[in-house]
Amino acid sequence: AQSVTQLDSQVPVFEEAPVELRCNYSSSVSVYLFWYVQYPNQGLQLLLKYLSGSTLVKGINGFEAEFNKSQTSFHLRKPSVHISDTAEYFCAVSDSGAGFQKLVFGTGTRLLVSP
Amino acid sequence: ETGVTQTPRHLVMGMTNKKSLKCEQHLGHNAMYWYKQSAKKPLELMFVYNFKEQTENNSVPSRFSPECPNSSHLFLHLHTLQPEDSALYLCASSQEGLGGYEQYFGPGTRLTVT
Repeated sequence: AQSVTQLDSQVPVFEEAPVELRCNYSSSVSVYLFWYVQYPNQGLQLLLKYLSGSTLVKGINGFEAEFNKSQTSFHLRKPSVHISDTAEYFCAVSDSGAGFQKLVFGTGTRLLVSP
Repeated sequence: ETGVTQTPRHLVMGMTNKKSLKCEQHLGHNAMYWYKQSAKKPLELMFVYNFKEQTENNSVPSRFSPECPNSSHLFLHLHTLQPEDSALYLCASSQEGLGGYEQYFGPGTRLTVT
């Protein structure tokens, strides 16, 4: 079974500063990895995903993440954040051999961007 | 309508009531999901329907009863709920088999059980 750990429940940062949201996973098989964002009163929206290939994945809104198999990590980064990036961010993992998308989510990290 | 829609957006119900949550996807997908989102806890997968057949039931109490009449609609029937069932219920859909592996989420129904 897979599991996801997001150690930071909340990350405060000033506007235009860089940010990294940490995600570590545990799995005995090959995995797919995802980052989702949830804005207030909305559902989850996919930011980016890693299925295979290049370990550096670029997503929407200037976010990117790097898959590190040896460290079982998939940290999310953005070089310069905006106020509008304030939201909850969820890391998720699924078994690449599963017949359907059974996603296992972390507890989420709330990104708070202030002026 | 586009994407995944959910109704109602907010629901307050007593423990003896019976209500239903509705989800509709306009994406032509063949798999639909119900998740429960509680504060400070990971999203919990409740049910999965693949081609209208239930393929996953994550030990969900019987007071939650899903129904998938076709690949575009998904319901969650609720009866005799408990206060701890108060949460945001999210519906999602995906297209299995194309390798995209992305789930598209609706905005959720905020349920309060009094």
